Amino acid sequence: LAKTTQPISMDSYEGQEVNITCSHNNIATNDYITWYQQFPSQGPRFIIQGYKTKVTNEVASLFIPADRKSSTLSLPRVSLSDTAVYYCLVGVNQAGTALIFGKGTTLSVSS
Amino acid sequence: ETGVTQSPTHLIKTRGQQVTLRCSSQSGHNTVSWYQQALGQGPQFIFQYYREEENGRGNFPPRFSGLQFPNYSSELNVNALELDDSALYLCASSLAGQGPYNEQFFGPGTRLTVL
Repeated sequence: LAKTTQPISMDSYEGQEVNITCSHNNIATNDYITWYQQFPSQGPRFIIQGYKTKVTNEVASLFIPADRKSSTLSLPRVSLSDTAVYYCLVGVNQAGTALIFGKGTTLSVSS
Repeated sequence: ETGVTQSPTHLIKTRGQQVTLRCSSQSGHNTVSWYQQALGQGPQFIFQYYREEENGRGNFPPRFSGLQFPNYSSELNVNALELDDSALYLCASSLAGQGPYNEQFFGPGTRLTVL
């Protein structure tokens, strides 16, 4: 399974755009990139998933370059409620597959 | 649509005891996965159940065992508790065979403290 590397922590202010980059140099052809969000004392929650180029939903955007060795989660105009841990996961896109989490990036948003 | 629920919310045990944690999967989901999350760490995969059979296991000893019932609810059993078993235990459900989409829905977790 591909390992991922992401910053341990990031700080931001309300209203700013936040970009969290994840490195996955050994990503396999069949692997997808998925991001989860976790608030304290809650289970992780799926945010977004992609294979290549750009994916956007109501919550975030995911940018994946052509070589797929990294990806960037973009959170537009963050608010205090976006303070959480963000995990980048790489693996096959098959329902029921075990998710392999790293330590994640702790995002702190201040007013 | 009912989400994933877990019980109990918190639990305190002593070393050497046994514990059973319970999980009700989201309506319509047939696969349950269990994860252990130590403080400050990401969740670690314990095992997964599909159609009442273990369908994958992470790097956890045999004293971690589980069950899945016909209604797709699940139990995690841990025998001979050790201090390092203190963690948040998360249950996640998903629908196998749904297609090219691996979104797992997590419950709020059970906080286990071993003294």
